[in-house]
Amino acid sequence: DAKTTQPTSMDCAEGRAANLPCNHSTISGNEYVYWYRQIHSQGPQYIIHGLKNNETNEMASLIITEDRKSSTLILPHATLRDTAVYYCIVRPNSGNTPLVFGKGTRLSVIA
Amino acid sequence: DSGVTQTPKHLITATGQRVTLRCSPRSGDLSVYWYQQSLDQGLQFLIQYYNGEERAKGNILERFSAQQFPDLHSELNLSSLELGDSALYFCASGRVGLLGEKLFFGSGTQLSVL
Repeated sequence: DAKTTQPTSMDCAEGRAANLPCNHSTISGNEYVYWYRQIHSQGPQYIIHGLKNNETNEMASLIITEDRKSSTLILPHATLRDTAVYYCIVRPNSGNTPLVFGKGTRLSVIA
Repeated sequence: DSGVTQTPKHLITATGQRVTLRCSPRSGDLSVYWYQQSLDQGLQFLIQYYNGEERAKGNILERFSAQQFPDLHSELNLSSLELGDSALYFCASGRVGLLGEKLFFGSGTQLSVL
């Protein structure tokens, strides 16, 4: 079972920042927080991941609370092409544990 | 382009038949994961291979089997197909590093069982 809780859906105006929350209150010390997204029936796409520090890459920023029980994915300037289902997943840094996908958040970017 | 290649893109077959789905991982990735996505079940993990060895098993039916070959490509075999096996099948590849493992997914095989 997924160990994260995400809102079912969110809307965001094009050009504005999209802030997607995720609760992972039972996260263990060796577990990373990963974000993936799936654009309509395409293969899931890796976005970003982190352990305890905030992370930023060309796609997004990841803010992890100090107690690591929640995080927020930030898309700084959402475009229509960012409309997708976003999955927050916790996973240890081990080659033996698969990604377990929950239901994710369906983000709709509106013009 | 994720670098993961899946063939075929589409497959239409009849109940009771057997099919093979193929996955070529990104260069250098030793792990291959298989997932099934149907409309009512979301993305379900099936099985993982690492450098030719089975590493983890999910909700994979006994009618399904997989293997990873010495060149690291993988095949998922589905037999005695039923209507409910119609789904998108994704494979992903990855490699474990000091800072975690990113998985890269292929574009999937759409299986339709008629």
